[in-house]
Amino acid sequence: DIQMTQSPSSLSASVGDRVTLTCRASQSITTFLNWYQQSPGKAPKLLIYGTSTLQTGVPPRFRGSGYGTDFTLTISSLQPEDFATYYCQQSYSAPRTFGHGTKVEVK
Amino acid sequence: QVQLVQSGAEVKKPGSSVKVSCKASGGTFNTYAFSWLRQAPGQGPEWMGRILPIVGKGNYAQKFQGRLTITVDTSTHTVDMELSSLRSEDTATYYCAKDMGSGQGASFDSWGQGTLVTVSS
Repeated sequence: DIQMTQSPSSLSASVGDRVTLTCRASQSITTFLNWYQQSPGKAPKLLIYGTSTLQTGVPPRFRGSGYGTDFTLTISSLQPEDFATYYCQQSYSAPRTFGHGTKVEVK
Repeated sequence: QVQLVQSGAEVKKPGSSVKVSCKASGGTFNTYAFSWLRQAPGQGPEWMGRILPIVGKGNYAQKFQGRLTITVDTSTHTVDMELSSLRSEDTATYYCAKDMGSGQGASFDSWGQGTLVTVSS
């Protein structure tokens, strides 16, 4: 199975900050990388698929990039509703696997 | 837009089985694939298996082969997940989700609200 490693495991930030989250795959997954946002007690929500395509309704302050094994999710100006945990997921090969998440907390 | 509503929380004894239901509304049920995932406390989600209603046969992650059964009822738009031989490590929140795309590139674009399954003696 492909292992997904996210860093950092948590970070503290303020409203308006630019934050960058990192995801690394144990082998090349080309661009088959998806990002999800999960708020406490809620189901994950698809944010970005295919490395950089925003799901319908996701604001443009979210941006995904990367190729091969290294990927990033950038939030250009953090909003109050963005404090949550973010997971990356590879869809290159079965089984589809997730990282352990990055929790974005209020500084 | 597909809405997925799951059955309620369960408490089970080790060695028993649990069945969780997921009812879909909206969209075109028979054209989708549905997956089951689980999430242990503090962990990322884990994909367990999926089913295509038009095929009616589940395919499962190797880890769950022999213990997991996913079934579908196209008349009620319901997808069920049954996990047997439960152990404490199976304590988690279980989610059904709709696949967006198939094969490479597939993601999960609609999720149920989650069902907490607790395995305890």
